[in-house]
Amino acid sequence: EAGVAQSPRYKIIEKRQSVAFWCNPISGHATLYWYQQILGQGPKLLIQFQNNGVVDDSQLPKDRFSAERLKGVDSTLKIQPAKLEDSAVYLCASSFLAPGQGYEKLFFGSGTQLSVL
Amino acid sequence: KQEVTQIPAALSVPEGENLVLNCSFTDSAIYNLQWFRQDPGKGLTSLLLIQSSQREQTSGRLNASLDKSSGRSTLYIAASQPGDSATYLCAAANDYKLSFGAGTTVTVRA
Repeated sequence: EAGVAQSPRYKIIEKRQSVAFWCNPISGHATLYWYQQILGQGPKLLIQFQNNGVVDDSQLPKDRFSAERLKGVDSTLKIQPAKLEDSAVYLCASSFLAPGQGYEKLFFGSGTQLSVL
Repeated sequence: KQEVTQIPAALSVPEGENLVLNCSFTDSAIYNLQWFRQDPGKGLTSLLLIQSSQREQTSGRLNASLDKSSGRSTLYIAASQPGDSATYLCAAANDYKLSFGAGTTVTVRA
């Protein structure tokens, strides 16, 4: 089975520029997650979708970050404008169901390494 | 809010030694607990998932235990190999979302 696809693999931008990341989850997975992982830390949930609806975006800096999941399949995460502290790996993950609903094993993509200069 | 802690942050062992990795969580009302492996520059790979009703899960040389009442999980890796060198993260599921620890970085010396 194909895994979670993410692009680009790496991105270098200057502060105040904008950037977008793309994720295509495993086919049939209803739940999609975007995580931010700063070096030396565990992943922090930015936003969680169930199909095309938002389940949790409490830790998403909404003044600069936005995300959408059109048609309940692939998703994009955008940062505008970027700050130095946004430098991190952005991970996309998907699961068949949300935690607590049954089969909730998470599958991760390889991530996008973002450097803001 | 769930807080997940992994101690130590790093561990170095000689090849063949058994590994014991610890994970603690503050909110015991979890649905499940997952252990992941992360290689440098890569995403996370799920190793084991323990449901809240289970005490342990095993896969090959890996065994994970769960004690909800004390808020602890332990990952055991038997007979470690250099290929086991990676960062191991645990994640606790509450309220339909996961909370991750910062991970334990393991180095197995040949």
